[in-house]
Amino acid sequence: EIVLTQSPATLSLSPGERATLSCRASQSVSSYLAWYQQKPGQAPRLLIYDASNRATGIPARFSGSGSGTDFTLTISSLEPEDFAVYYCQQRSNWPRGYTFGQGTKLEIK
Amino acid sequence: QVQLVESGGGVVQPGGSLRLSCAASGFTFSSYGMHWVRQAPGKGLEWVAFIRYDGSNKYYADSVKGRFTISRDNSKNTLYLQMNSLRAEDTAVYYCAKDFSAMVRGVIIRGYFDYWGQGTLVTVSS
Repeated sequence: EIVLTQSPATLSLSPGERATLSCRASQSVSSYLAWYQQKPGQAPRLLIYDASNRATGIPARFSGSGSGTDFTLTISSLEPEDFAVYYCQQRSNWPRGYTFGQGTKLEIK
Repeated sequence: QVQLVESGGGVVQPGGSLRLSCAASGFTFSSYGMHWVRQAPGKGLEWVAFIRYDGSNKYYADSVKGRFTISRDNSKNTLYLQMNSLRAEDTAVYYCAKDFSAMVRGVIIRGYFDYWGQGTLVTVSS
C-alpha cells in the first residue's frame, strides 16, 4: 500500500501570508494526487486534482505542484476562510485503492 | 446542484450489522462510480469502497473486505453500504462521495472525490 506522509502536522500562519504544505508518497504515484480542504463539521472539498489542476470554483490562490513522490500545495495569500485541515490523496491504483495523508492543520497564528 | 444525503447511521453492538444509504440528486447517478469514505472521530480520512457506474465491479479496503458490501440501485439513485460483523474500530462518520470524472487533454481522469454528502455517524459499542 502506498503511504502518504504530510508535513508539517500543524502550520501556524497569519492572514495574508503564504502557506506551503507538503505531501510525500512512499513510492511514485506519477501525477495522480489530489488535495482536499476540510473545515470542522463539514465534508472535505476537492481543491486540486492530478497534482496541479484546480477543481471547479477553486480560487486561483490555491495551486499544486509536484510529481512522482513529492507534492506541494501552495496558498499564495491566506484568507480567513482558508484555515482548515488539508489532506492529500492518491489514486495511482484506480479503481482498486486510494489512500489519504494524515492531514495538515492550518491554524491562525 | 449535486446533492448526496446519507442515512442509516446509529449505535450498534460489536458483531452487529447496519445498512447505510446515500440518496443522490442533481446529476446522472447511473453514469458515475461512487465511493464510501470514513473518518473516525478526530482522525483522518479512509477510503472504504468503490462501485462502478453500472455496479459491475466493486472494490474494498482491506480493513473491510469480507465484512462490508457496496451496492447501488440506479433506478432509485441510491448507493448502499451493508456493514456486517462490525467492530469498535469501524466507528466513524461515513461519507458517500461521487467519483470525479473529467476529460483533460484527451484523457479521462477518475479516482478523486468531487462531491461528498454530509456524512452519517456509525458508533460500534456495547
